[in-house]
Amino acid sequence: EVQLVESGGGLVQPGRSLRLSCAASGFTFDDYAMHWVRQAPGKGLEWVSGISWNSGSIGYADSVKGRFTISRDNAKNSLYLQMNSLRAEDTALYYCAKDRFGELDAFDIWGQGTMVTVSS
Amino acid sequence: QSALTQPASVSGSPGQSITISCTGTSSDVGSYNLVSWYQQHPGKAPKLMIYEVSKRPSGVSNRFSGSKSGNTASLTISGLQAEDEADYYCCSYAGSSTYVVFGGGTKLTVL
Repeated sequence: EVQLVESGGGLVQPGRSLRLSCAASGFTFDDYAMHWVRQAPGKGLEWVSGISWNSGSIGYADSVKGRFTISRDNAKNSLYLQMNSLRAEDTALYYCAKDRFGELDAFDIWGQGTMVTVSS
Repeated sequence: QSALTQPASVSGSPGQSITISCTGTSSDVGSYNLVSWYQQHPGKAPKLMIYEVSKRPSGVSNRFSGSKSGNTASLTISGLQAEDEADYYCCSYAGSSTYVVFGGGTKLTVL
């Protein structure tokens, strides 16, 4: 079964850091691009960051550029999101999503998400 | 403010057809055939319904179809069913600088 399981969310104070992880199973992880997409409570979807199959192409939303870093470990079938200098507006459910191809196409498999709450 | 513009809500009766529009610019929807649509039921993760403007993933009903004209993409759902009631989001590639943009989402109500 194709599955993505996020972890690492929680309550964190503004200005602090958090690292999210996404464990993939059921498919050949290093064949596909991977993404993080977030959804603030009661709001729509916002793409956060994406990484190609070999980490050769990486992109970030303007809202997180310079603060968040995406990475992947193909040997461990894992995707990561290092989030620094967190702000209240980063509060959201963070989804890990698999792309259909090695580069950006569409997000065909989603995890259930991990909640990040930034508050003092 | 979302990069792609969708109507906040649409509604239809069972058996009818509805269309949800997604208006972007010549920098995203108008330039790339990488428009996708996602369905999200309350409390659930999004589900891919359409990719590359008009292609359906395996397992998605052929009642769902996608198209594009200029800077506007559209999702049409025919033969509306109660289980189609959900939020729908469009998404487009927007070039190597902006990368990916979503629409603000459309709430579909089946009357």
